[in-house]
Amino acid sequence: DTGVSQDPRHKITKRGQNVTFRCDPISEHNRLYWYRQTLGQGPEFLTYFQNEAQLEKSRLLSDRFSAERPKGSFSTLEIQRTEQGDSAMYLCASSSPPGRAGGEKLFFGSGTQLSVL
Amino acid sequence: KQEVTQIPAALSVPEGENLVLNCSFTDSAIYNLQWFRQDPGKGLTSLLLIQSSQREQTSGRLNASLDKSSGRSTLYIAASQPGDSATYLCAVRQGSGGSNYKLTFGKGTLLTVNP
Repeated sequence: DTGVSQDPRHKITKRGQNVTFRCDPISEHNRLYWYRQTLGQGPEFLTYFQNEAQLEKSRLLSDRFSAERPKGSFSTLEIQRTEQGDSAMYLCASSSPPGRAGGEKLFFGSGTQLSVL
Repeated sequence: KQEVTQIPAALSVPEGENLVLNCSFTDSAIYNLQWFRQDPGKGLTSLLLIQSSQREQTSGRLNASLDKSSGRSTLYIAASQPGDSATYLCAVRQGSGGSNYKLTFGKGTLLTVNP
């Protein structure tokens, strides 16, 4: 499978616990994005990496959220002290370098569904 | 702040019908626009990407048009099939300014094609 891979697919946790999600992008993609989607809404941007550098963070990303992309390969998104409002689908996407024919098309993973009880 | 609106929120049609989904955006200074499909509980699949300099893109039974000046895009699906049932999302990427990495999504149109 050469698509974007996310793990786990589902996570149920109790309020106050820490959780970590992993994303493996398509191997030749240097851009990686995290989005969050709640029921009935479109995805909302959280953060963006170009290689290992985190270039942009949304105001949605409170200080309880941290994302890393060591060595510019896989990425992790950690949520500390989870709250019920964090329950959502967390989506990872990657894209090829800009300038290619057809523009920068994003490829999404299947997401991690987080439920905070 | 860019806002993306999709109309209708839900659409139910009989198999074989041609249909149009609408997307509008408030800031016309976009870099590109993408249409995605999302199946329940799944991630997004990119269907068509239109650069700001283009007017339309076609893939199989799908045709997407872009009128940047009026802030509108349409996704045309010909000869709809039950397998087309999904949520269709429109997303725009800004062409300038600091936040030109992110996509701004609409809430989607839930399409049901009945056999």
